[in-house]
Amino acid sequence: GDSVTQMEGPVTLSEEAFLTINCTYTATGYPSLFWYVQYPGEGLQLLLKATKADDKGSNKGFEATYRKETTSFHLEKGSVQVSDSAVYFCALRSSSSNTGKLIFGQGTTLQVKP
Amino acid sequence: DAGVIQSPRHEVTEMGQEVTLRCKPISGHNSLFWYRQTMMRGLELLIYFNNNVPIDDSGMPEDRFSAKMPNASFSTLKIQPSEPRDSAVYFCASAQGQTQETQYFGPGTRLLVL
Repeated sequence: GDSVTQMEGPVTLSEEAFLTINCTYTATGYPSLFWYVQYPGEGLQLLLKATKADDKGSNKGFEATYRKETTSFHLEKGSVQVSDSAVYFCALRSSSSNTGKLIFGQGTTLQVKP
Repeated sequence: DAGVIQSPRHEVTEMGQEVTLRCKPISGHNSLFWYRQTMMRGLELLIYFNNNVPIDDSGMPEDRFSAKMPNASFSTLKIQPSEPRDSAVYFCASAQGQTQETQYFGPGTRLLVL
């Protein structure tokens, strides 16, 4: 079945460091791919998405490119801030799905120190 | 818009008691999702409704769990009887339209069963 695998955390960085959180997926066809972020004590919120191969999603300085050849959707940010400390979830929606069901990765905790 | 509303935000109960979690989706959204989040199992989809009809309940752990959506603006998730292993954060999310790609999450209900 479809699945999403994220790099294990926690990831600890200093402020202004470069961030990469790896995400790979297994799915048939061309799924839609998402990054959600969960700040402490809150629900998840959509950070960015890409719906077809080679698309780049971007928001708040974060970027991720849909790579069909490597089945990846890695999240990057050039300069992280303390306020970026959160849990990041990679997710996919199958192209064969006629429902809104998302399959989430296990989440990666990011801690940014001043 | 007020976003997805969940109540209560926190619930502490004793084993064997009935627990009812409530969710009000964003007005106009036609899909509603219930998730459970734990450290051990991550984020799990429990059940999904479309136009108030349950579409996929394969994630409901067992018969102790039930969910209803009597109308477009209200859903409940009930656990009866509750057990300590049900302790988790329960999220409700809603989405709009045919693609339903962007899910909007509520703040969650933190449940502790003693």
